[in-house]
Amino acid sequence: EAQVTQNPRYLITVTGKKLTVTCSQNMNHEYMSWYRQDPGLGLRQIYYSMNVEVTDKGDVPEGYKVSRKEKRNFPLILESPSPNQTSLYFCASRARGAYEQYFGPGTRLTVT
Amino acid sequence: AQRVTQPEKLLSVFKGAPVELKCNYSYSGSPELFWYVQYSRQRLQLLLRHISRESIKGFTADLNKGETSFHLKKPFAQEEDSAMYYCALNELGSGNTGKLIFGQGTTLQVKP
Repeated sequence: EAQVTQNPRYLITVTGKKLTVTCSQNMNHEYMSWYRQDPGLGLRQIYYSMNVEVTDKGDVPEGYKVSRKEKRNFPLILESPSPNQTSLYFCASRARGAYEQYFGPGTRLTVT
Repeated sequence: AQRVTQPEKLLSVFKGAPVELKCNYSYSGSPELFWYVQYSRQRLQLLLRHISRESIKGFTADLNKGETSFHLKKPFAQEEDSAMYYCALNELGSGNTGKLIFGQGTTLQVKP
């Protein structure tokens, strides 16, 4: 089944403890993105990648890192999480030349 | 700056009533506009895009460049339409990064 998967789905952590949220897609898509969803703010793009080893900042990149060493994976790294990074995170992918983005199921992160 | 505005956080209607979810955008170039929907406990998925001018699940949306709007309409709401709806904008043309700019989202509640 063609899909985008994220792990973990739920995570509660403490301030300053490094964490990684994984994202994987099996559709051979070139483009991948990370978004965060906050009440009243909709979804905002954190980082995106146009292909392997090509990444760039979105609208709210502060406090996040990404890497794209393989086409299928696009992990989101929080080196030192803070409470204002408590949010619902979505990974998405899209094929070059296509218009539809496919979203993962979301990861709910709580930083205390 | 590119922006998408959905003025209503919550829209509550009775089954069978007409529905209009408002979306206004601000963009200097040629935008490509979408509606995405998130049903309860499901991932975000594409509902429709303005270029295709199609009707999906009875919903239609017309791009009005003069009013910079892309409102989503359905003549007779059904209970299964209850969901969160996001209007989104994508830049057209070369150099398309696949970045989507989302509105704040509108929760549609269809009462029996």
